Amino acid sequence: GAGVSQSPRYKVAKRGQDVALRCDPISGHVSLFWYQQALGQGPEFLTYFQNEAQLDKSGLPSDRFFAERPEGSVSTLKIQRTQQEDSAVYLCASSRGGELFFGEGSRLTVL
Amino acid sequence: GENVEQHPSTLSVQEGDSAVIKCTYSDSASNYFPWYKQELGKGPQLIIDIRSNVGEKKDQRIAVTLNKTAKHFSLHITETQPEDSAVYFCAASMDNSGYALNFGKGTSLLVTP
Repeated sequence: GAGVSQSPRYKVAKRGQDVALRCDPISGHVSLFWYQQALGQGPEFLTYFQNEAQLDKSGLPSDRFFAERPEGSVSTLKIQRTQQEDSAVYLCASSRGGELFFGEGSRLTVL
Repeated sequence: GENVEQHPSTLSVQEGDSAVIKCTYSDSASNYFPWYKQELGKGPQLIIDIRSNVGEKKDQRIAVTLNKTAKHFSLHITETQPEDSAVYFCAASMDNSGYALNFGKGTSLLVTP
């Protein structure tokens, strides 16, 4: 596709469950970012990949959050033992080094 | 770390009027300031950006100004249209590639016909 694709668009999880969110960046974009957007707030940086290398994971809120991009293309954000405070929209963005192109996000609701 | 403050949080204007959204930042090392528009259920979309070596940039009805001394920057939308209604976010970064953007909390703009 022409844009950043994220799946699932909506995910409902029971507290304690593990979830995996997928991001398909724009073809050829070496940089990939994950952001977390709480309701009514701006996006907050989680982590950054350049190709398959995770260069910055300083924004990940806890060790329950894990991201990977093993082949330098598709990325997965995994959240283990979900908590209610993890409820948010998770945005993925890709870039060739300039403008960030965001996907539509995955809305996670933890009950 | 960088702290970006944005105001107002909500803004309602009549179609054809101008809208101004203001942001301040705390880290003088920041040198890249993009503005994003986010429509309901969509991801943020870049509408204009400015780098620290420029004081003003204009693109049709949208303009951004930057005052590095005062550490503030503003978005100006002229001749507003109903389709301009959305949430607007300012952001700041120390890397002009857009890495590790720090976003403001957003301004919900409503343009009424």
